[in-house]
This record gives sequence, C-alpha cells and structure tokens, in this order.
Amino acid sequence: DVKVTQSSRYLVKRTGEKVFLECVQDMDHENMFWYRQDPGLGLRLIYFSYDVKMKEKGDIPEGYSVSREKKERFSLILESASTNQTSMYLCASSLGGPEPQHFGDGTRLSIL
Amino acid sequence: GQNIDQPTEMTATEGAIVQINCTYQTSGFNGLFWYQQHAGEAPTFLSYNVLDGLEEKGRFSSFLSRSKGYSYLLLKELQMKDSASYLCAVKGEGTASKLTFGTGTRLQVTL
Repeated sequence: DVKVTQSSRYLVKRTGEKVFLECVQDMDHENMFWYRQDPGLGLRLIYFSYDVKMKEKGDIPEGYSVSREKKERFSLILESASTNQTSMYLCASSLGGPEPQHFGDGTRLSIL
Repeated sequence: GQNIDQPTEMTATEGAIVQINCTYQTSGFNGLFWYQQHAGEAPTFLSYNVLDGLEEKGRFSSFLSRSKGYSYLLLKELQMKDSASYLCAVKGEGTASKLTFGTGTRLQVTL
C-alpha cells in the first residue's frame, strides 16, 4: 500500500511566521502535489513537482513556495503566514499516467 | 482551463441506488477520477475512466461520455458507511498527472 505521511495533523501558527509543512511518500513516485481544501471551494492545487528539484505552480501559488530536494519528500512553505491561509492542506503523490493520486491524512493549519 | 460541476448535496436511503453526476468543460482531457472522502479523512481513489462507457467495481460503477463532457458515479445497495463526499477530478494533458477537482458532492445516507 502507498503511504503518504504528513508531519502534523494539526498546527497553529501566528501571522507573519514562516511555516513548513512536510510530506513524505514511500512508493518512489515521481509526482507530488500540495492542495488546500476549503468548504465550498473543494481541493485547489497550490504547487506540484514531477521530479527532484522540479516544481510547477498550480492554480493558487501566491504566498507559498515548495522544496523537493529528495524524491520522497515534498515541502510546502508559507513564507509569511496570513489568516487567509488557515485551511486543510493535503499532500498527494502519484506514479503518473492512469495511476491515481494517493493522499496523506492532511494538516489542519490555523493562522492566528 | 477546467470547469467541473457536481451537485453540492444529495440524500438517499439505505439499500437504494444513487447517481452522482459530474459535468466538465476542459481545454484538454486525459481521464476522469472519482474519489471518496469521509469527514476529516483523506480522499481515497474509487474509479478511473478514460474511454467512453461504464466501469464496474462491486457496488460502485462509473460512466463517462467524452463527447458530452459528462460522468456519473453510481452507488448501489447503499450502506450507512457510504455517507461521505464524492469528488470528481479531471486529468488534463501535460505533465505530472495534474488533476482539477470539482467541489464535491456530500452524500447523506439515511435509514
């Protein structure tokens, strides 16, 4: 079974802080993704990566950056957290092609 | 870009059949996925369609018509544990299996 592990289930940070969300997958997948999920808006893609050190912007990249130094790890960085970044953050990985994305359990992030 | 529409909420009775529709308008199409998401949990993969027609997996089936930009998820013999959100997602052309998700349909199964 594919295992996608996110470092925290719940996180509380303050406005202006730099926040790191970590994601690790154990299936040697090339592709990794970061989404946020908000009521009424569904899952929205922030950034994705199709190889080590490669990254592409998703639909809502503003205020975020990512890092992929190793194939199994994909980090999401909130450079200066703001209250409108309070959300559920989901990481996913996939092999590509017809293979589905596999999701981690999510991190519920609150910015105060 | 991609535009995906699905109903916000549906209610059905235990033991019944329910059909959840999804319509999409895309600049490119390379398959459609359905995911199930229970409250507070991660989405889990249910089905994938890339060619027209019906794919059956036990109590769940998914249908695709590419010419109509339309898919549905059919759930038979509903059980209480099927109460969840069902997410339709379209895979566009290009790199990395990028998906665009609909806002999801919350299904409530009642006695």
